[in-house]
Order: sequence, then C-alpha cells, then structure tokens
Amino acid sequence: QVQLQESGPGLVKSSQTLSLTCTVSGDSISSGDYYWSWIRQPPGKGLEWIGFIYSSGNAYYNPSLKSRVTVSIDTSKNQFSLKVNSVTAADTAVYYCARAPAARTFDYWGQGTLVTVSS
Amino acid sequence: EIVLTQSPATLSLSPGERATLSCGASQSVSSNYLVWYQQKPGLAPRLLIYDASTRASGIPDRFSGSGSGTDFTLTISRLEPEDFAVYYCQQYGSSPLTFGGGTKVEIK
Repeated sequence: QVQLQESGPGLVKSSQTLSLTCTVSGDSISSGDYYWSWIRQPPGKGLEWIGFIYSSGNAYYNPSLKSRVTVSIDTSKNQFSLKVNSVTAADTAVYYCARAPAARTFDYWGQGTLVTVSS
Repeated sequence: EIVLTQSPATLSLSPGERATLSCGASQSVSSNYLVWYQQKPGLAPRLLIYDASTRASGIPDRFSGSGSGTDFTLTISRLEPEDFAVYYCQQYGSSPLTFGGGTKVEIK
C-alpha cells in the first residue's frame, strides 16, 4: 500500500525558508510511473497546487509561486522535498504531498503537516 | 489560468436525500479533465471521480460525475452519514492545475 509522510518544522519565521520532505513507502519514486506533488491548504480555505516533480528531476510549478518554490527529489531515499523562500503569513497552511498519475489527479496523499509562519 | 467556481457553497440535506454539486469553469476544460475529491475535517482529500465521470477505485456507485466543457456535476444519489464532508473539483486540462473553492455538504 502506498503511503506518503510529510516531515519538517511546524513553525517558520517570516522572511525565512520553509523546508519539508515527503517520504514515500510502498512505491518507488524512481519507477517513472508517477509525478510527485505538493499541495497546500490555508486554514479553513481551499486547496492550491504548488508543483510536481518527476523521477528525472524535471519540476513544474504553479506560476503564482514559481519564483519562491523549489521541489527536488532524492531517489536513493525515496523522498522528495519542498522549499519555499521568503515566507510570509500568507504561506501558513497545511502542506500535503501527493502522488500524481500522469501529472493529472492526486490519488494518494500524505496526512498533511501544518506550517505556521510567525513574525 | 482556469478558475473553477463551485456552487452552492453549502448544501444542507438529510441522510437518504440526493445531493447535486456544481463546478463551473471560466473556460472549457480540455478533454473533460476534471476531478472530484471529498475531504473530511482533519484529513487529506480523497479522490472520488476523474475524467469527469470515472469513479476511482473503491468509490461507491452512489457517487457519479457528469458534464463537459465548462459545466460539471457531482451527484450523490442517496446520502449516507459518512458522505457529509467538503467536496472539491479540480481541473487538469491546462496548467496550472486549479481547484474550486469547495462545497460543504452538511446535515440538515
């Protein structure tokens, strides 16, 4: 069974960098069958796609965040990661990692991790 | 960017009733590449429907999706107690992938 688990600090200071890692089990992220994605959800609000990465290392981002976001992959650890630079309170959200068949839908999700940006 | 507008924002119904949720797109969704998710409090979204009308694995047949172009519908034929949740649509016909604002189905 495919499982994804987010990890990283739950509190980040304003203007600093948010860093999260997603560890995948039950599937190999180097298999090439899927894209691996980050999605976020501000408290009480809707969902926002952040970006995808493929096993080759090719990444695709939401233009609204592209200038501040980097998604990377470590196939040796079966992990992929997210960095968001220059965070503000608007970046406070539950961050989810998810598997994306053909970069379209999100069929398996992590449980999500709340990241709060403090001033 | 395709903007998805879901209506109504809240739907108050009783168990056993039929729920009809709408998702409107600001421009035509290519190849009807539209998805529906269910989200319960404190949990990640769950994939229900993809390609506008194909149920994901393990999804009961009381959930059905329909529509094309700019107008899509999720129907729950008879609401079960576990169906009260928030439902989101998402399009993957063009980048960036975008989500609707959600419809909350609550117990009347």
